[in-house]
Amino acid sequence: GDSVTQMEGPVTLSEEAFLTINCTYTATGYPSLFWYVQYPGEGLQLLLKATKADDKGSNKGFEATYRKETTSFHLEKGSVQVSDSAVYFCALYFGNEKLTFGTGTRLTIIP
Amino acid sequence: NAGVTQTPKFQVLKTGQSMTLQCAQDMNHEYMSWYRQDPGMGLRLIHYSVGAGITDQGEVPNGYNVSRSTTEDFPLRLLSAAPSQTSVYFCASTGDSSYEQYFGPGTRLTVT
Repeated sequence: GDSVTQMEGPVTLSEEAFLTINCTYTATGYPSLFWYVQYPGEGLQLLLKATKADDKGSNKGFEATYRKETTSFHLEKGSVQVSDSAVYFCALYFGNEKLTFGTGTRLTIIP
Repeated sequence: NAGVTQTPKFQVLKTGQSMTLQCAQDMNHEYMSWYRQDPGMGLRLIHYSVGAGITDQGEVPNGYNVSRSTTEDFPLRLLSAAPSQTSVYFCASTGDSSYEQYFGPGTRLTVT
């Protein structure tokens, strides 16, 4: 079945460091791909999305590119801030009313 | 426009008790879902609904019931609580085919 694999956390970085959180997926077709973010004590909120191959989603300085050839959707940010500390979830959607989530990656940014 | 609201925020139950987690949305979304979030397991789909009067099972439906009598409300019922149902529960809704979901703030449930 469809699945999403994220890099194991937790990830701890210093402020202004470069961030990459890896996400790969297994699917029989071409799903839509999402990154959601969960700040402490809150529900998930959409960070960015891409609906077809080679699309790049971006928001709040974060970017991810839909790579069909490597079935990946890695999240990147050039200079992280303390306020980026959160749990990040990669997810895919196939048009079947079901969003499949990865296990989440906890990110902590140290001043 | 409150988005997706959930009540209660916290709940402690004893094994065997029943309760209903409430979820409401004011965005006129057709699709609504319930997830549970457990450490190391991400979010798992419990039940979902594609419109009023229509519900279906997700990945982990056992021990839970849902109904969708209106577009706005999608309550989740625990029939006989078990310690394995200790979790954080999120309700979500979406209104378009891209399936961008809007999440509520969550209910933290502890079953002793």
